[in-house]
Amino acid sequence: QSALTQPASVSGSPGQSITISCTGTSSDVGNYNFVSWYQQHPGKAPKLMTYEVNKRPSGVSNRFSGSKSGNTASLTISGLQADDEGYYYCCSLAGSNWVFGGGTKVTVL
Amino acid sequence: QVQLVESGGDVVQPGTSLSLSCAASGFTFRSYGTHWVRQAPGKGLEWVAMISFDGTNKYYADSVKGRFTISRDNSKNRLYMQMNSLRVEDTAVYYCAKEVRPYSNSGNLDYWGQGTLVTVSS
Repeated sequence: QSALTQPASVSGSPGQSITISCTGTSSDVGNYNFVSWYQQHPGKAPKLMTYEVNKRPSGVSNRFSGSKSGNTASLTISGLQADDEGYYYCCSLAGSNWVFGGGTKVTVL
Repeated sequence: QVQLVESGGDVVQPGTSLSLSCAASGFTFRSYGTHWVRQAPGKGLEWVAMISFDGTNKYYADSVKGRFTISRDNSKNRLYMQMNSLRVEDTAVYYCAKEVRPYSNSGNLDYWGQGTLVTVSS
């Protein structure tokens, strides 16, 4: 149950687009379309941003989009805003368990 | 509205036991798989355990297998976690969370509780 690999940090200026990668293996990300992304602000519970690779829950801005290619999933945030700052985690089904990424800190410059 | 409220967190000594509870409301609890996810202080999210909507299937992370037991009471809309042989490394905020889709085991979690803090220290 190794954690999925995410960059420790990603930054961008307001209005720009950024992409966070999430690399797994053929036993998790590469084998299932059950990849989700979560946003977490300090001291708060995680919030679901995308699920089943590219679906958005009701109420989540269409500035957030998910994708997958092979063993790597990605979350793209377009039109970066100050409130997008925080930590982002990916998660994938991995057989009979689930695995999160180590988290990426997003900074809005 | 959907609510998940955890309780039971405490400061305990290594080797002891603790039971967590999660009260669910605002949705048909008996139709949704539910998970426990934890977060150690200053660290990332770690999946801990999952129980299917009807309680027949249970899954555990290797780090807690044999020590933690997940259960649910659909008549009371409650999720539980019995934690035995606690270790210092189990110190974390424990969240309960529900699946996006009914009858699903996808791990896509759309509602989370506010978390309850478990501290294991001598």
